[in-house]
Amino acid sequence: EMRLFQSGGGLAPPGGSLRLSCAASGFTFSTYAMTWVRQTPGKGLEWVSAISGDGNYIYYVDSVEGRFTTSRDNSKNTLFLEMNYLRAEDTAIYFCAKNYADGQATYNVWGQGTTVTVSS
Amino acid sequence: EIVLTQSPGTLSLSPGERAALSCTASQTIGNDYLAWYQQKPGQAPKFLIYGASRRATGVPDRFSGGGSGTDFTLTISRLEPEDSAVYYCQQYDASLPIIFGQGTRLEIK
Repeated sequence: EMRLFQSGGGLAPPGGSLRLSCAASGFTFSTYAMTWVRQTPGKGLEWVSAISGDGNYIYYVDSVEGRFTTSRDNSKNTLFLEMNYLRAEDTAIYFCAKNYADGQATYNVWGQGTTVTVSS
Repeated sequence: EIVLTQSPGTLSLSPGERAALSCTASQTIGNDYLAWYQQKPGQAPKFLIYGASRRATGVPDRFSGGGSGTDFTLTISRLEPEDSAVYYCQQYDASLPIIFGQGTRLEIK
């Protein structure tokens, strides 16, 4: 069974940092692009970042460019999201997701989600 | 950037009825690169449909997708209480960022 287990998150002050992790199992992690999606009551589901299977290509939504860093360790089947210079508007539930197929940005496996709260 | 507008905002139906959820794009989505997800409270989204009409693995055939261009529909036939959820459409044709619709809440009375 393909699974994604998330850890990290929590409370951080504005300007602070947090790191999210997403551990994969049940599939060949290195062959799939991975994605971060966040969800807020006001903005719904928002695509945040994606990384290719080999980690060589990484993309971000404009609002997090330069503040967030996505990376992966294929030897440990783990995806990361390093969040710096956090803002109140980054408060959300963050999901990691596995891309369904090569070149197709749909998501067939999701982590359970982790809450990030940015507040003083 | 493509905008996806879902309607209605909320749909309330009875078990056994059929639901039709709409997703309208602000510009043509090529290759029918439109997906649908189901999300229940406290859970992650669940992958239902891709390529506008292809069911993901394990999705019951009561769920069907259709449409092309700018107008897409998710149809759920023979509604069951467990179908209560929020349904989101998502386009993956245009350049980044990937865009989701705002969701349709389906209530089974």
